Amino acid sequence: GAGVSQSPSNKVTEKGKDVELRCDPISGHTALYWYRQSLGQGLEFLIYFQGNSAPDKSGLPSDRFSAERTGGSVSTLTIQRTQQEDSAVYLCASSETSGRTDTQYFGPGTRLTVL
Amino acid sequence: AQSVAQPEDQVNVAEGNPLTVKCTYSVSGNPYLFWYVQYPNRGLQFLLKYITGDNLVKGSYGFEAEFNKSQTSFHLKKPSALVSDSALYFCWVTGGGNKLTFGTGTQLKVEL
Repeated sequence: GAGVSQSPSNKVTEKGKDVELRCDPISGHTALYWYRQSLGQGLEFLIYFQGNSAPDKSGLPSDRFSAERTGGSVSTLTIQRTQQEDSAVYLCASSETSGRTDTQYFGPGTRLTVL
Repeated sequence: AQSVAQPEDQVNVAEGNPLTVKCTYSVSGNPYLFWYVQYPNRGLQFLLKYITGDNLVKGSYGFEAEFNKSQTSFHLKKPSALVSDSALYFCWVTGGGNKLTFGTGTQLKVEL
């Protein structure tokens, strides 16, 4: 079946502009995660949607970052007033249930470059 | 505080030789441990996980890992490395409170 998809695959923007990154999880998966992977660095958790419960936003680095998940499916990560330090690969993952013991399935990522 | 350590930034192995990628952790409560792999220019893929039961876990592509509670380790192993195993490997742990913590990743390079 179809895996997790993300769009765009690459995004180049100018400092100060807003960007939206989209994630389509595997159909029927309850949980959805956003991560950030900066060049030469590891993974950074951003936000976690768990079914109908309130999302875990504890990883969002600033109030310029927000995310929503509509209808329990597609999610959009929005970065307002982008800064150069926002340049990174943004990864989305989904899992079948909300438990953090579940296997997460990742999309290919969106590479964001802020000039 | 919960933590994961991958002490080696890079591991170099000759093809055909056994490989080990190290991971140690510190959590409260029972740990749930994962290994994921990231091939160049691709997203992460699940390799294996330990939740409970047998300490030796077998996963994809011939990889296995052994949960060692006394040493708080979950090292990734493969008996015979392939050049195609060259990738970035991440160890994860979920402990008490369902907090997820990642290691910093280990770059595996398998050479002919």
